[in-house]
Amino acid sequence: VMTQTPLSLSVTPGQPASISCTSSQSLLHSNGKTYLNWYVQKPGQSPQVLIYEVSNRFSGVPDRFSGSGSGTYFTLKISRVEAGDAGIYYCMQTMHLPRDSFGPGTRVDIK
Amino acid sequence: EVQLVESGGDLVQPGGSLRLSCAASGFIFDNYAMSWVRQAPGKGLEWVSGISGGGITTNYADSVKGRFTISRDNSRNILSLQMSSLGVEDTALYYCVKGSGAFYFYSYLDVWGKGTTVTVSS
Repeated sequence: VMTQTPLSLSVTPGQPASISCTSSQSLLHSNGKTYLNWYVQKPGQSPQVLIYEVSNRFSGVPDRFSGSGSGTYFTLKISRVEAGDAGIYYCMQTMHLPRDSFGPGTRVDIK
Repeated sequence: EVQLVESGGDLVQPGGSLRLSCAASGFIFDNYAMSWVRQAPGKGLEWVSGISGGGITTNYADSVKGRFTISRDNSRNILSLQMSSLGVEDTALYYCVKGSGAFYFYSYLDVWGKGTTVTVSS
């Protein structure tokens, strides 16, 4: 089971934000990689990848976004939230597909 | 530019069948796994099914196993999802999604289509 906290967040522009994601099983593969990814779905858009394998920013993703964690506990941080960051953030594991793929999502609103 | 264009979504009665398609372009199709991800109205994302680049390995969410079949035509760059015994719980926007590697597991979803809507209702 993938869980996320909080499920909603309201942030003032310029302030940091943090979302946690917990897996009921370790997402660490014997090859040393951990298959936990982060996506954001902005209003009216398809989801897009932000972070892959815990901490790797996808091409074009600003360095305001960072991922960390290991094993079963992970965090997505936005160092300085901007108006365009509003959306629903999902963690997703691909270590144990098809079970429990996505977390429930965290809605981020900008004050 | 990588593009994924879904089609085939429709209104269908409970118990009915539907086939979704996804036309891919802008990348070497058979080098990459593909997945279907769905989103019920107002709900979160659910990975539905995945297929390896060569089409040999497939897998399904428990909620659709035995009812849905994923396939791909690498000669035409087409991904398909055959859906049968549809129920109201299958009502969703279905996204076609490109994987980052040859397998849908141990990877991430790097390009998403805009989706096609399936509505199951009498």
